[in-house]
Amino acid sequence: GAGVSQTPSNKVTEKGKYVELRCDPISGHTALYWYRQSLGQGPEFLIYFQGTGAADDSGLPNDRFFAVRPEGSVSTLKIQRTERGDSAVYLCASSPIVSGLDEQFFGPGTRLTVL
Amino acid sequence: DQQVKQNSPSLSVQEGRISILNCDYTNSMFDYFLWYKKYPAEGPTFLISISSIKDKNEDGRFTVFLNKSAKHLSLHIVPSQPGDSAVYFCAAIVGGSQGNLIFGKGTKLSVKP
Repeated sequence: GAGVSQTPSNKVTEKGKYVELRCDPISGHTALYWYRQSLGQGPEFLIYFQGTGAADDSGLPNDRFFAVRPEGSVSTLKIQRTERGDSAVYLCASSPIVSGLDEQFFGPGTRLTVL
Repeated sequence: DQQVKQNSPSLSVQEGRISILNCDYTNSMFDYFLWYKKYPAEGPTFLISISSIKDKNEDGRFTVFLNKSAKHLSLHIVPSQPGDSAVYFCAAIVGGSQGNLIFGKGTKLSVKP
């Protein structure tokens, strides 16, 4: 079946602009995660959803970052007033139930470049 | 401070030989460890995992060893194949933390024919 998909694959924007990154998880997966991978680093947790609700958003760096999952499937990560330091690959992952013991299936990521 | 550390940014191994990738952690609350493999322009894919109640888990050519007293784990690949060339991430999780994986920085493995 289809894996996790993310759009766009690449996004170039200017400092101060607003961006939206989309994630389509594997159908039926309850849990959805967002991670950010900066150059030379491992993925860093941002937020995860259990169904429609954000169960843990402790990884969001500041209030410019926000994510939604209104119908418990597709999720959108929103970044306001982008800064050059936001440049990174944003990874989305999903898993069948909410448990760290379930394999998380990752999408290919969205590469965000803020000029 | 990094809770999961992969101190070798890269490793080069000859095809057919053993690859050993190392990972250290600082948080004694971690009770489950995973290895992910990542090819360029793709997301990480799960490779193998180990619970803290075990000291070894094997899956085909891949074996993970856990030394809790040393807070150290390693991934062994035998025999190494050119298709194993990728970045390998060590990750850890605290039981009941609801899915938040803590990743190391990764080790780039190159397997030469």
